[in-house]
Amino acid sequence: QQQVKQSPQSLIVQKGGISIINCAYENTAFDYFPWYQQFPGKGPALLIAIRPDVSEKKEGRFTISFNKSAKQFSLHIMDSQPGDSATYFCAASMRTGYSTLTFGKGTMLLVSP
Amino acid sequence: GAVVSQHPSRVICKSGTSVKIECRSLDFQATTMFWYRQFPKQSLMLMATSNEGSKATYEQGVEKDKFLINHASLTLSTLTVTSAHPEDSSFYICSASPRLGETQYFGPGTRLLVL
Repeated sequence: QQQVKQSPQSLIVQKGGISIINCAYENTAFDYFPWYQQFPGKGPALLIAIRPDVSEKKEGRFTISFNKSAKQFSLHIMDSQPGDSATYFCAASMRTGYSTLTFGKGTMLLVSP
Repeated sequence: GAVVSQHPSRVICKSGTSVKIECRSLDFQATTMFWYRQFPKQSLMLMATSNEGSKATYEQGVEKDKFLINHASLTLSTLTVTSAHPEDSSFYICSASPRLGETQYFGPGTRLLVL
């Protein structure tokens, strides 16, 4: 049973546009929600993360919006650049225990020049 | 941020041989490390949780006798794929957290190709 659903599967955005990727989770015990960026042949790199005590977190061009009641969170990439073309994974975990991450299936983002 | 390294970055081996992959946390100690497997254009699949000084915890469906994990120190975990077969060809990625319940930092991955 997939506990984190991510959409869309792929996304094409023009340079300068806004890229939006959405995730929904089922387990209400999750309380840590990171986003990872992965380039081909590389390991995932932490992009930005949020905890449920805030509804939004912004770091540079990247913003996470979090809706606890809807059990949804999303990544917004403002002023998208060709260098942002990568696969993005949302994830969720519980702070207790071994902090195992549950990943979404990923979104392949292509930013066209 | 914390740095995690993996060695080798890619390996090609013959069917039936064993391959060892190392995962090191370079600037922090990691009581717990994680091993993932990723097929092309798919998400990361957790294989096992590696605990320093104790046995690894394997996810359902992962053969512990085939994927041997050793976490001998707070900065090193190894994954050995024993008697590798072509279907074991994949991208293996490790991760580590500086503290329980905190962010996982990922290594660069190891591409395994079994001929």
